[in-house]
Amino acid sequence: GNSVTQMEGPVTLSEEAFLTINCTYTATGYPSLFWYVQYPGEGLQLLLKATKADDKGSNKGFEATYRKETTSFHLEKGSVQVSDSAVYFCALEDDKIIFGKGTRLHILP
Amino acid sequence: SAVISQKPSRDICQRGTSLTIQCQVDSQVTMMFWYRQQPGQSLTLIATANQGSEATYESGFVIDKFPISRPNLTFSTLTVSNMSPEDSSIYLCSVGQTGVYQETQYFGPGTRLLVL
Repeated sequence: GNSVTQMEGPVTLSEEAFLTINCTYTATGYPSLFWYVQYPGEGLQLLLKATKADDKGSNKGFEATYRKETTSFHLEKGSVQVSDSAVYFCALEDDKIIFGKGTRLHILP
Repeated sequence: SAVISQKPSRDICQRGTSLTIQCQVDSQVTMMFWYRQQPGQSLTLIATANQGSEATYESGFVIDKFPISRPNLTFSTLTVSNMSPEDSSIYLCSVGQTGVYQETQYFGPGTRLLVL
């Protein structure tokens, strides 16, 4: 069946560091891929998405590229801020949405 | 955008009891979803709740354990029945559409449940 695997956290970085959160997926079809973010005390929010191979989703300085050949959708940001501290979920949508376990990110000032 | 609220935000319950979680949306939506996130696990879809019809449950979830109501287009409840410690999870309400890609899937803040 379809599944999503993302790197385990917590990830702790200093402000302005480069961020990568790895995400790989298994799917029988050609799913859409998402990154969701959950800030402390809030619900999940869609951060970015990509619907087909080689698409790049971007938002708030975050980027992720749909790599069909490596079945990956890694999340990157060139310079993180303290306000980026949150839990990040990679997800795919085929006939339903399947989430990874989430990666908690701590950014130190 | 849709704003979703859930009640209660957290609860501690005794084994064998039941808890009903409420989900309120500030706009009319066709489809509402209930998810569960067990400790250290990913979000798992429990069921899809459509107004005016029976909820559709995912594999591994049954109506007797997780009865759902959807009396109108802005409200739904999920009941966790005859609870055991294994039911300790975060339960999330969500609105949107599955099977059709869209940008606007919204999630509530979740209800954190601990069963003793």
